[in-house]
Amino acid sequence: DAGITQSPRYKITETGRQVTLMCHQTWSHSYMFWYRQDLGHGLRLIYYSAAADITDKGEVPDGYVVSRSKTENFPLTLESATRSQTSVYFCACTQGLALDTQYFGPGTRLTVL
Amino acid sequence: SQQGEEDPQALSIQEGENATMNCSYKTSINNLQWYRQNSGRGLVHLILIRSNEREKHSGRLRVTLDTSKKSSSLLITASRAADTASYFCATENAGGTSYGKLTFGQGTILTVHP
Repeated sequence: DAGITQSPRYKITETGRQVTLMCHQTWSHSYMFWYRQDLGHGLRLIYYSAAADITDKGEVPDGYVVSRSKTENFPLTLESATRSQTSVYFCACTQGLALDTQYFGPGTRLTVL
Repeated sequence: SQQGEEDPQALSIQEGENATMNCSYKTSINNLQWYRQNSGRGLVHLILIRSNEREKHSGRLRVTLDTSKKSSSLLITASRAADTASYFCATENAGGTSYGKLTFGQGTILTVHP
């Protein structure tokens, strides 16, 4: 039972490069989320998806693109990475039923040089 | 801006003592949840309290919710060194567009000394 996984776990890239962070869940949960975690800001929602082909912006979407062609995958792309996007990125999912909780992946630590 | 504000930012106690963390929020909510994060790991759900509940227990955890003050507290009784972690409150705000979305506080870092 793999649950929710993220890859890569660590990534170093350079300013201006495109980077894609992967998220995969085995539960067929409807909702998926991308957060970034920074010191002093806690977790902030970047994008979320209520179902395949349905995505919407969160609190800090600028500079990020998402897609969800399959229920189990929710990749996050930084089209042109900037140093301010250095962060730890967490993917989460939930069934979306009333009173449901979110299940988090282990995170991807991204450094943009 | 963050919905939840947590207090204290850091808490250091001895094993066996109780730990209390507080969370305040700004808008009406459907529910409030507490999560735990060990260093270098993802968040793990601890407990959820609905907006019409005032208190909830789960093992050594006790959560209270005061919607009139827009605040919640998490009490960990008889703490253990293994409870050392960051603790986050998260709210699901009331309103149709917020369904399933959580807004997190900045967290309380708890250190339990053996």
